[in-house]
Amino acid sequence: GAVVSQHPSWVICKSGTSVKIECRSLDFQATTMFWYRQFPKQSLMLMATSNEGSKATYEQGVEKDKFLINHASLTLSTLTVTSAHPEDSSFYICSVEEGGGGNQPQHFGDGTRLSIL
Amino acid sequence: GQNIDQPTEMTATEGAIVQINCTYQTSGFNGLFWYQQHAGEAPTFLSYNVLDGLEEKGRFSSFLSRSKGYSYLLLKELQMKDSASYLCAVRDSNYQLIWGAGTKLIIKP
Repeated sequence: GAVVSQHPSWVICKSGTSVKIECRSLDFQATTMFWYRQFPKQSLMLMATSNEGSKATYEQGVEKDKFLINHASLTLSTLTVTSAHPEDSSFYICSVEEGGGGNQPQHFGDGTRLSIL
Repeated sequence: GQNIDQPTEMTATEGAIVQINCTYQTSGFNGLFWYQQHAGEAPTFLSYNVLDGLEEKGRFSSFLSRSKGYSYLLLKELQMKDSASYLCAVRDSNYQLIWGAGTKLIIKP
């Protein structure tokens, strides 16, 4: 399956800081990438679908001005958490889905653990 | 609304067999996925079912009954490293993935 690299693995920063997370598809050109957030002991929550060359599609309740997504190339999508606050502390994970037809799984990056002090 | 139900937590013994159930009510069905997620890590893909029946992959098998909206993941010869959360996800008629909350599996020696 697709190999996905996510960076950084850990971020600890002060409240009010903006944090950028990168997601790279290493062996597959991904027109679509997905960004998830996972709070402790909870399930994955899809935040947005990142579309190469166009605007991301955000899920209901996710602030597009706070979580900026840029998918400028077929191998890179970035998520920027702007002016992060302690309630934004979470595990952020990106994923890539190969091909069409719906029978392909999503392959995930290793995730970024964000802690806002 | 769309809903996927899994038990929150299960406990099993090393060397034994465990079955993790998943029931779903979704708008349409285009396949069901099982993922394994170790604590603090991202999910990894285990299996995919789109037709009724059993898919076997080594120690892991997954079963699907579309008419019952039901799947299970069967883990045989349990090892300590199998301690993880197991996530069930269904692709709906819009090809969106709907995720269950996951089942935390605890393996005891």
